[in-house]
Amino acid sequence: QVQLQESGPGLVKPSQTLSLTCIVSGGSISSGGYYWSWIRQPAGKGLEWIGRIYTAGSTNYNPSLKSRVTISVDTSKNQFSLKLNSVTATDTAVYYCARGGMVRGEDLWGQGTLVTVSS
Amino acid sequence: DIQMTQSPSSLSASVGDRVTITCRASQSISTYLNWFQQKPGKAPNLLIYAASSLQSGVPSRFSGSGSGTDFSLTISSLQPEDFATYYCQQSFTTPRTFGQGTKVEIK
Repeated sequence: QVQLQESGPGLVKPSQTLSLTCIVSGGSISSGGYYWSWIRQPAGKGLEWIGRIYTAGSTNYNPSLKSRVTISVDTSKNQFSLKLNSVTATDTAVYYCARGGMVRGEDLWGQGTLVTVSS
Repeated sequence: DIQMTQSPSSLSASVGDRVTITCRASQSISTYLNWFQQKPGKAPNLLIYAASSLQSGVPSRFSGSGSGTDFSLTISSLQPEDFATYYCQQSFTTPRTFGQGTKVEIK
């Protein structure tokens, strides 16, 4: 079955760029009409949707982060990526990648990866 | 953005209890409402989609209802493995937004 796995640095310095990749295994990222999203969760807090991408390339971002976020997809590698620039300590969180659909929302999630912003 | 408000923020219940969590949207979202369960250190897990449809593999003691702006998640008979935090999410529009969560604790 389809599985998602986040990868990337666990520590990022303030003002630098956070970069994460989500590898999709067990199925093609291009099949099923899904979108692929990023969601984050600061320790002890709720869930914040960052944005999504369709494999055709169209994106939607959370307005609260839009000026700093880029989500891209590489169908040849069956993966998609998140870049968040100019990070501060408030960007410290567990970052999840997920698969989404119009009706079910985010129905399949990666295990999450903790990213800490600190010098 | 559509604001999602859950109540209560936390509750204490016993095994076997019937538990209901409510979620209110700041505008009508038809039935584009999903419920997730999250256990400590784990990713959220989809329980209910489209307000009342049970995700495959989820026990039938979980049910959802509602449309428009008011929704609820009911656990008919609370089991030990159900102690967790529950989130609602609207999938009507972007940005997707979640409720603040309801933590279900053991009484």
